[in-house]
Amino acid sequence: ILNVEQSPQSLHVQEGDSTNFTCSFPSSNFYALHWYRWETAKSPEALFVMTLNGDEKKKGRISATLNTKEGYSYLYIKGSQPEDSATYLCASSPSGTYKYIFGTGTRLKVLA
Amino acid sequence: GAGVSQTPSNKVTEKGKYVELRCDPISGHTALYWYRQSLGQGPEFLIYFQGTGAADDSGLPNDRFFAVRPEGSVSTLKIQRTERGDSAVYLCASSLKGTSGAQTQYFGPGTRLLVL
Repeated sequence: ILNVEQSPQSLHVQEGDSTNFTCSFPSSNFYALHWYRWETAKSPEALFVMTLNGDEKKKGRISATLNTKEGYSYLYIKGSQPEDSATYLCASSPSGTYKYIFGTGTRLKVLA
Repeated sequence: GAGVSQTPSNKVTEKGKYVELRCDPISGHTALYWYRQSLGQGPEFLIYFQGTGAADDSGLPNDRFFAVRPEGSVSTLKIQRTERGDSAVYLCASSLKGTSGAQTQYFGPGTRLLVL
């Protein structure tokens, strides 16, 4: 994998459903993986930063895991609410750099 | 405290015109970044400032794009002779030091540029 890829591109879920998205990134030269939530007309909000293989982070109903050996991260949302509707971006930061390399995002719509 | 702010929030211009986009980072953050998100793409890196100097401008697409940060705080992204392909959301971010890829970058709401 040369680029950061996210799937699915978009999804609709019902309120109360749990859901998850995938972020794939180059495992070679990996340093850090970031997740952001971006609501329309607002600033992208930092959710998590993870660096170590096996890292798990949790913030309320949202959690994330990291596998640096195979180059993927999962973001989970438990009991989705309409206010969770947003685009979820992941970004990889290669070793020796400060730049973020973003995926194209997963657009989540939670239906009431 | 105040987050990263960007002005204007929206800018419509005509092909060939000059535009300036402004970014006010979080106070005390020495690192400042510009990214550009074109339709259907993820944000792409443009330029990184450490203090007043551009430490990495490798993402600027061509010499029509230029950015400054003269006092190590506010930054201006300048685009000359705009083209329709420059239409995008321009995001600014700042971080405390910018010395590590594990540092969180805090983003502004972006400037939506439309070139007609």
